[in-house]
Amino acid sequence: QVYLVESGGGVVQPGGSLRLSCVASGFTFSNYPMQWIRQAPGKGLEWVALVSFSGSDRHYTDSVKGRFTISRDNSKNTLFLELNSLTPEDTGVYFCARGGFPFCAYWGPGTLVAVSS
Amino acid sequence: DIQMTQSPSSLSASVGDRVTITCRASQDISNSLAWFQQRPGKAPKSLIYTASTLHSGVPSRFSGSGSGTVFTLTINSLQPEDFATFYCQQYTSFPYTFGQGTTLDI
Repeated sequence: QVYLVESGGGVVQPGGSLRLSCVASGFTFSNYPMQWIRQAPGKGLEWVALVSFSGSDRHYTDSVKGRFTISRDNSKNTLFLELNSLTPEDTGVYFCARGGFPFCAYWGPGTLVAVSS
Repeated sequence: DIQMTQSPSSLSASVGDRVTITCRASQDISNSLAWFQQRPGKAPKSLIYTASTLHSGVPSRFSGSGSGTVFTLTINSLQPEDFATFYCQQYTSFPYTFGQGTTLDI
């Protein structure tokens, strides 16, 4: 059984930082690219970032480039997302999802990030 | 960036109906298209990948078709648990992009 569980969300002031984690189990983590997807309150899904299976390649949506960093620790089956220079527009639920084939087959339940003063 | 446009944005239907949702890409994405279902307060659930392949465990009343720039998700004989929001996503080039969503309600 595949499981993805996010953590690290919380309330942070504008300009602040957070580090999200996603622990994976039930599959060979190092064989799959991994990604983060977010959803603002009452809004649609927004793809945020993807890291290759080795961690060597990273891709971001334009609105987070230079502020967010995706990374992974294959020895701990863990995906990370470092969020810096946060703004209220970054508020939402952040989901991790497995990439590769079949595409986006598994998602975590999400962790809530709230940027507010 | 590739823009994904879903239609309609919302749809009312009844149990037993057949519904179709359309997703249009701003450029050719071949068959790199996925469909997701999201119920309120829950994580999205994967339904279809490569435009027409059902994920394991997805009921056969769901089907996907299309290639290039126009794709459809069809649900035959709607069941009560099918009422949710549906999203398409292209994964042919970065940034991967979602459609704005289609809410299916009674």
